[in-house]
Amino acid sequence: NAGVTQTPKFQVLKTGQSMTLQCAQDMNHNSMYWYRQDPGMGLRLIYYSASEGTTDKGEVPNGYNVSRLNKREFSLRLESAAPSQTSVYFCASSRSVRHEQFFGPGTRLTVL
Amino acid sequence: AQKITQTQPGMFVQEKEAVTLDCTYDTSDPSYGLFWYKQPSSGEMIFLIYQGSYDQQNATEGRYSLNFQKARKSANLVISASQLGDSAMYFCAMGLFNNDMRFGAGTRLTVKP
Repeated sequence: NAGVTQTPKFQVLKTGQSMTLQCAQDMNHNSMYWYRQDPGMGLRLIYYSASEGTTDKGEVPNGYNVSRLNKREFSLRLESAAPSQTSVYFCASSRSVRHEQFFGPGTRLTVL
Repeated sequence: AQKITQTQPGMFVQEKEAVTLDCTYDTSDPSYGLFWYKQPSSGEMIFLIYQGSYDQQNATEGRYSLNFQKARKSANLVISASQLGDSAMYFCAMGLFNNDMRFGAGTRLTVKP
């Protein structure tokens, strides 16, 4: 099983450019999450999706949008990238909030 | 406000000894879950242990145990018989009933030979 996959692994953007981070899971999980991790800090939740068709804002949603395309896929979009969005982005999935989250390998994004 | 606090930025432990990593949390929700994750230098996130707010007994998973003190709102991770491979960042996290998740800032554990 692939588990949780994320693309791309690395990305460099210029300020103002847009991009979409892709995430897919093959574990038939209901819940999916997008986090960012800044140096020396823990993960901060950007958006989450408790089930197919629903999305909710997390702790730091400003500047991001998400789409739960189907049960497998949950994408994160930066409409107009800013240097403050330079970070490592993790996607995760779980059966529910009471179950462990499985994480993707992360996307390292640099905004110049 | 929902918050997780890890007050130990770094910890050292001698190989084969036990170590406790502290975690306190704040929430007004009666239903929540507490998690610990390990992040080695390679960057992946590895699940270690889970404790539900209604669980009566402390969770254990191999060398990991969670010391859950609900009244004090603490969920400390105890690693017994530390190994060199335990050197990593450790994150405490809280999951709320609506799927919101909060992570602490982490504790960097270094195991000395």
